[in-house]
Amino acid sequence: NAGVTQTPKFRVLKTGQSMTLLCAQDMNHEYMYWYRQDPGMGLRLIHYSVGEGTTAKGEVPDGYNVSRLKKQNFLLGLESAAPSQTSVYFCASTHSPDRAHEQYFGPGTRLTVT
Amino acid sequence: GQNIDQPTEMTATEGAIVQINCTYQTSGFNGLFWYQQHAGEAPTFLSYNVLDGLEEKGRFSSFLSRSKGYSYLLLKELQMKDSASYLCAVVGSNYQLIWGAGTKLIIKP
Repeated sequence: NAGVTQTPKFRVLKTGQSMTLLCAQDMNHEYMYWYRQDPGMGLRLIHYSVGEGTTAKGEVPDGYNVSRLKKQNFLLGLESAAPSQTSVYFCASTHSPDRAHEQYFGPGTRLTVT
Repeated sequence: GQNIDQPTEMTATEGAIVQINCTYQTSGFNGLFWYQQHAGEAPTFLSYNVLDGLEEKGRFSSFLSRSKGYSYLLLKELQMKDSASYLCAVVGSNYQLIWGAGTKLIIKP
């Protein structure tokens, strides 16, 4: 099992460019999450999905869109990148919400927007 | 509002014991957990408490008091590899996770 994988690992964008971050899990988990982590702050939930074909907004959804067309994949899109979106992005998955503590994280994507 | 407070940074000596505190105010509670995060890496699960009391797992223990909105993570026999950030998080009423900013633990020889 690969667990949770994320691509790419690093990316530098210019303001206004777009990109998609891919998260994939092979554990058959229903729930998937996208977080961002900034220095001095906790993980902040951007969007999440409770199953294939469903998505929901988290704490900081503005400027991001997501899709969950396949159960194993959760995509995070930035349509027009801004410097404020410079961050480390983590994807996570879990089997069910009552086991939310058993979140498995991907290795992270380090995004810099200049 | 909802918030989780934990110290920003702590320093301890190799071989010693350190306690990292976490206080929380959330709408609903379905458990509290601790994660360890080494610099540049993803968080990894350490412990989970849903009932009051102490949970022990090797050198690490975690305590919860729901009436006080308080938890701590106790690390014994500190090793240099324990230098990391320790994240406290609460499972809220809608089963979403509310994360603290993390405590950076520095271990000195």
